[in-house]
Amino acid sequence: ETGVTQTPRHLVMGMTNKKSLKCEQHLGHNAMYWYKQSAKKPLELMFVYNFKEQTENNSVPSRFSPECPNSSHLFLHLHTLQPEDSALYLCASSQEAQGSSGNTIYFGEGSWLTVV
Amino acid sequence: QKEVEQNSGPLSVPEGAIASLNCTYSDRGSQSFFWYRQYSGKSPELIMSIYSNGDKEDGRFTAQLNKASQYVSLLIRDSQPSDSATYLCAVPGGAGGTSYGKLTFGQGTILTVHP
Repeated sequence: ETGVTQTPRHLVMGMTNKKSLKCEQHLGHNAMYWYKQSAKKPLELMFVYNFKEQTENNSVPSRFSPECPNSSHLFLHLHTLQPEDSALYLCASSQEAQGSSGNTIYFGEGSWLTVV
Repeated sequence: QKEVEQNSGPLSVPEGAIASLNCTYSDRGSQSFFWYRQYSGKSPELIMSIYSNGDKEDGRFTAQLNKASQYVSLLIRDSQPSDSATYLCAVPGGAGGTSYGKLTFGQGTILTVHP
């Protein structure tokens, strides 16, 4: 089992659906992230949470809504998505969002999202 | 906006050969550089980090950094079929590249090692 677990691993949803992706980290980290990996595009940062507070929103459309109830859990709520939002959504965690000392990030296995 | 460029490949090498993966970056102030490996259908995993000009070796992997040329590379010696994966170059965000969690990635180079 990895230190960062994501569910569901695969999700197919219609454009009018509302669904959520869940991430849990067991590493005692204080920072959590959502990254998006689309076909033929670089892996890109979406949101950063540090000690449960959102510190960065990388110009993500409002149809993606993150939630971080505590330092171990991170959600990505999805509503009225478009087919072009189909991608691999990766959760990650690190000791803190700032600083470099011992601050390696660890990725979860990802959630494959298909919007139809 | 930091930019990281990689040749997307695919790069195909025979088993036992040296695979050379290249990456250039736009932010001259970047201080740290990472190489991640991503197997098909899996998440990225960190395999090398480098902070100083020159070479850093770890087993069959060698990272090379040239800050003047804004160039970082990864060499894989004695390539094995199990090395077949996508290799991602990444640079930390934040002022002076101090935010290790906020990474800017290149598009990745697909490496295939054939027997």
